[in-house]
Amino acid sequence: DAKTTQPNSMESNEEEPVHLPCNHSTISGTDYIHWYRQLPSQGPEYVIHGLTSNVNNRMASLAIAEDRKSSTLILHRATLRDAAVYYCILTFGNEKLTFGTGTRLTIIP
Amino acid sequence: DAGVIQSPRHEVTEMGQEVTLRCKPISGHNSLFWYRQTMMRGLELLIYFNNNVPIDDSGMPEDRFSAKMPNASFSTLKIQPSEPRDSAVYFCASSLSGAGNEQFFGPGTRLTVL
Repeated sequence: DAKTTQPNSMESNEEEPVHLPCNHSTISGTDYIHWYRQLPSQGPEYVIHGLTSNVNNRMASLAIAEDRKSSTLILHRATLRDAAVYYCILTFGNEKLTFGTGTRLTIIP
Repeated sequence: DAGVIQSPRHEVTEMGQEVTLRCKPISGHNSLFWYRQTMMRGLELLIYFNNNVPIDDSGMPEDRFSAKMPNASFSTLKIQPSEPRDSAVYFCASSLSGAGNEQFFGPGTRLTVL
């Protein structure tokens, strides 16, 4: 299975943009790139996903490298409520989500 | 929509007892997933169903665990007999089937086996 690599933790100041990186050098052509986050004491929550092109939604933007071997989740203006563990996940032509350890994002007021 | 509903939210039981966790997926969703989360192992997919049929149960830890989906609106995860190492938060999620579709997670059931 293609794996992802994320930093264990990151910090960002409130109201600043946040760029969360993810490396997935063994990605295949049919793998979607998904991002989920898990707030404290809650279930995971979908953030965004993409295949080849950059994607935007109300929560975030996803920038995908041209060779698809890396991607970046962008939170345009972080708030305290964005403090969570962020997971970058590849799907392998099916619906299974294989969660890694993710990046714990801390927002500094 | 009420979202994915799980019950109970908390369960405390003694080793050797049977435990049944319940999940009601979002109406219209045809894929259902059971996950387990522990500090040691993180979030693990146990089993998933598509159109009420188990598709992949490779994550089910052992024969003590079983899952059923008798209809599109209900699923159960049973542990019999339970052991202390089964203590975890169990999440149920549902989606419209497809690799690019988002999964909606329930609030989880926190299981403690004494």
